[in-house]
Amino acid sequence: SQTIHQWPATLVQPVGSPLSLECTVEGTSNPNLYWYRQAAGRGLQLLFYSVGIGQISSEVPQNLSASRPQDRQFILSSKKLLLSDSGFYLCAWSVLADSYEQYFGPGTRLTVT
Amino acid sequence: AQKITQTQPGMFVQEKEAVTLDCTYDTSDPSYGLFWYKQPSSGEMIFLIYQGSYDQQNATEGRYSLNFQKARKSANLVISASQLGDSAMYFCAMREARSGGSYIPTFGRGTSLIVHP
Repeated sequence: SQTIHQWPATLVQPVGSPLSLECTVEGTSNPNLYWYRQAAGRGLQLLFYSVGIGQISSEVPQNLSASRPQDRQFILSSKKLLLSDSGFYLCAWSVLADSYEQYFGPGTRLTVT
Repeated sequence: AQKITQTQPGMFVQEKEAVTLDCTYDTSDPSYGLFWYKQPSSGEMIFLIYQGSYDQQNATEGRYSLNFQKARKSANLVISASQLGDSAMYFCAMREARSGGSYIPTFGRGTSLIVHP
């Protein structure tokens, strides 16, 4: 069966510090991968998606970046965090073909102080 | 412009009663998909139900049904016989095709449902 992992579960970082959030998927090959951010009391904002290794599409301009060094690994990074980067970050995957269902990870709650 | 609109920030329902969560969407793509997710306080996103734009019948999954009215561009979620465990945030989302063959979902802002005993 497929599983998706995210870590860390919670993170408190000072403004200006770097960020690295990792997401890995097990039990499937060549998935679509997604990074979302959910601000407090808000819906999900799609940040990045990837249809293959090294292929990253950015949905919104920001100081975050994403990378996909391996088929089932998706990394969200920042060189210098802003206060506005605080939120709940969710990684998700879907099968590469026409698929409606996304499977979400447990999320990382990031607080920038 | 918002592609997915959920006008109810919060809803309350009595246990065992039915509740309808509203969702309207906007797209010019003839082929699209609509779905609902549940987010409990733990934060995980749980897929509930899907409706394709060409599906003739409304989707149902157990106590969940999707009231799809294509002409009105609405895709309301109906939860029958509410349970205390249904208390959560509910997100409506739409999937549209993008160039290159990928399908990208857009989520609404969500509706908070509280089920009273």
